[in-house]
Amino acid sequence: DADVTQTPRNRITKTGKRIMLECSQTKGHDRMYWYRQDPGLGLRLIYYSFDVKDINKGEISDGYSVSRQAQAKFSLSLESAIPNQTALYFCATSDPSGQITDTQYFGPGTRLTVL
Amino acid sequence: DQQVKQNSPSLSVQEGRISILNCDYTNSMFDYFLWYKKYPAEGPTFLISISSIKDKNEDGRFTVFLNKSAKHLSLHIVPSQPGDSAVYFCAANYNQGGKLIFGQGTELSVKP
Repeated sequence: DADVTQTPRNRITKTGKRIMLECSQTKGHDRMYWYRQDPGLGLRLIYYSFDVKDINKGEISDGYSVSRQAQAKFSLSLESAIPNQTALYFCATSDPSGQITDTQYFGPGTRLTVL
Repeated sequence: DQQVKQNSPSLSVQEGRISILNCDYTNSMFDYFLWYKKYPAEGPTFLISISSIKDKNEDGRFTVFLNKSAKHLSLHIVPSQPGDSAVYFCAANYNQGGKLIFGQGTELSVKP
């Protein structure tokens, strides 16, 4: 079984709809992240959480919100989706006490299309 | 402002030859650098890393070189194999802050 799972894997929605992307992990890591990938821009950080009570904005948080329901679960919401939020979304986890500092482990991604 | 840059969007190499992927950064506070590899329809996977106190780190066919004065790092793959065809991202952070700053990625194609 995959250590970091994301649901759904693909989603097509319409402008103005509310969308939630979910991430679950079995790695036991405290730190979780949400990124989006756009062609030519690499991965950009949306939000991150270092523990259940800690939520921080990343580079591009406008238009997004998150919820850390438990150590293992971190959800990303688009309250009112717009077409320029069409992208590939990745969840990641890390363990600051791990052998390799700051190595992040990524889920398989969610491809979101906003029409 | 792109703090980590990969200026080559793509690279094509013959099987068995060396692949060299380059990455430049602007923030002198970065003290840890990582390379990730990404296949289509999968998430990025960690490949190799280097601390700023070193100038080279090697793992099998993969070697990362760091030139701090030039704010430049490179990933060497020798010999290149068709299975190495993927998008490669370099990333950096500082002070074990947890947040990674990624470059735009370079798509490597290794031809048989």
